[in-house]
Formats: sequence, C-alpha cells, structure tokens
Amino acid sequence: KAGVTQTPRYLIKTRGQQVTLSCSPISGHRSVSWYQQTPGQGLQFLFEYFSETQRNKGNFPGRFSGRQFSNSRSEMNVSTLELGDSALYLCASSLVRPSQGRSYGYTFGSGTRLTVV
Amino acid sequence: QKEVEQDPGPLSVPEGAIVSLNCTYSNSAFQYFMWYRQYSRKGPELLMYTYSSGNKEDGRFTAQVDKSSKYISLFIRDSQPSDSATYLCAMRDPSLIQGAQKLVFGQGTRLTINP
Repeated sequence: KAGVTQTPRYLIKTRGQQVTLSCSPISGHRSVSWYQQTPGQGLQFLFEYFSETQRNKGNFPGRFSGRQFSNSRSEMNVSTLELGDSALYLCASSLVRPSQGRSYGYTFGSGTRLTVV
Repeated sequence: QKEVEQDPGPLSVPEGAIVSLNCTYSNSAFQYFMWYRQYSRKGPELLMYTYSSGNKEDGRFTAQVDKSSKYISLFIRDSQPSDSATYLCAMRDPSLIQGAQKLVFGQGTRLTINP
C-alpha cells in the first residue's frame, strides 16, 4: 500500500515569506502528526491532528499552524519565515487506538526539506 | 536536561560486529519504547517497539527496556553495511489522552558499518 506522501520534497524560501507543506497519510490512518528535525534539536513534535481537530501541540510559536481535511490529508503552514526554520519537516500517520499488542509507532514520510535564505 | 538522552556518536564498527545503542530517560511514566532507523534523505522507519520492561527480538535486532534504570538498548547482531544509518530511540508521551500520539525522541546515533 502507498506510504505517507509529503510534498514538495525540497523548498527554498526567503525570510519573511510563508510556506505551506502537504501530507497525505496512509489510507485508513486518521491521525497525522508533524515533526521538525534539525541537527541541533533533533526531532521535535509540532502538532497532531485527528478527525480534522488539533489534538496536541508542541512548544512552537504561533507562526506554525496546521490543519487536517476530511480525507485525513494535512497541511502545515509557517508564516513570517526565519532562518532558524530551516529544517526537515516530517509528517507521520498512525492508526488510532491500536489493539493490544499493536504498535503506537508512526509511519513517516520522507519529509520536506525547507531552506530559508 | 532533555527528557531522552542519546549519544549522537558517530559510531563506526566493522562488518559482523555486535552493535549496542542506548538511551536514558528521565520520565518514569514512559511505557512505550521504540527504535527508529533513518537513512540519509529519508524519514525514520519503525524498527522495534516494546511495552514496559523486557526484551524483544526480531531477526538480528534485540530491544531491551530496563524501567528500573530508565535505560533502553538496541542490539544489532552480525551488523551489515546496509545497517549504516541514524538510529533514534523514541518514547510515547504518557501525559496524553488514550490514543493521542506524541513521541519524544532521542538525538539519534549515527552508525557506520565498515565492510
């Protein structure tokens, strides 16, 4: 079955601009989470969406936002880009309430590499 | 201090060696423990997961959890050049409602297996 698809794969933006990243989860997965990965901080949780509702939010400024559509596809938006926003943005989808013995693990996409210049 | 500590390495070993990767954590409420492997220019992929303390084996990989010491390990036997990647430990945030998803990751250990 198809994995988690993220678009675009690479993006170069200028400081002050805004950007929208897209994620299509695995079919049947209703939970979509976003992470930021940088060499200095590693993987940091941004937010999770389930049934079009943000269920959890990490410790990021309000410039980072997201949404989920009825087909579970998700987008994240970063406004007023800063140089420090340069990172690999990873989307992950998962089954919700897995049955006993099933993993709480995600399936990650390959990410969107955002460079802010 | 980070909730999950992992030595970033890099770690370089010869082919066939046994590799030991480790993480320590501070939150005693963590119950679900995972190991992810990440190749260059790819997203992390789930390798192993364990619930609470104990061992779990899958082929050449063994995951161990020692909750009393707040210490988890991943062992790779008969390591292959194709195992060269970054290995990340992760734990599920226990403060969330059931079903909610948030993982806390270690920094990742970059591993190279030399032929």
